[in-house]
Amino acid sequence: DAGVTQSPTHLIKTRGQQVTLRCSPKSGHDTVSWYQQALGQGPQFIFQYYEEEERQRGNFPDRFSGHQFPNYSSELNVNALLLGDSALYLCASSLGLAEEYQETQYFGPGTRLLVL
Amino acid sequence: RKEVEQDPGPFNVPEGATVAFNCTYSNSASQSFFWYRQDCRKEPKLLMSVYSSGNEDGRFTAQLNRASQYISLLIRDSKLSDSATYLCVVNRRSGGYQKVTFGTGTKLQVIP
Repeated sequence: DAGVTQSPTHLIKTRGQQVTLRCSPKSGHDTVSWYQQALGQGPQFIFQYYEEEERQRGNFPDRFSGHQFPNYSSELNVNALLLGDSALYLCASSLGLAEEYQETQYFGPGTRLLVL
Repeated sequence: RKEVEQDPGPFNVPEGATVAFNCTYSNSASQSFFWYRQDCRKEPKLLMSVYSSGNEDGRFTAQLNRASQYISLLIRDSKLSDSATYLCVVNRRSGGYQKVTFGTGTKLQVIP
């Protein structure tokens, strides 16, 4: 049973560049959420995708966008990178219509982004 | 006020000690609660869900107090391998969807 996978594991970019991060959810899951975790902080919710649509969004600017594909995998795109975008980006998968206590999120290993 | 608050620690405890963490939440509509464990430079991993009746998994006990709006995690007989950051997660329904909020985490260091 494959868990959540993310790629790449590490990435170095410069200010102003654009980046695309990828996530494949756990087998059987249909919902993907993206989080940004800065050093020493808890994960901050960016957005969630279900049925190929963004259905929730946190307090992140439009520079952060995403996509979900028919196979439930997802991409996170960040445009016009800022130094403050340096963080661990986590993808979490879950079941979109599960009962309350089944809406547990399972995390991928993350992509560590460094913006110089 | 943050929606979910935790004492960042660090909690430095000797092996074999019992340690407890609390996590407070501000929204009384919160419905489900979890504790995650995060090792340094790794992803969060689900430790346990927190049920109204309280639940235990080996050396770990989680409690929920809805009246005072906090959850707790008790670790008995601490092991060196318990050293990690413990993240509190609170879920509530918002606009028909699940809204997930993480605390900033409590760092535990178990000392030999």
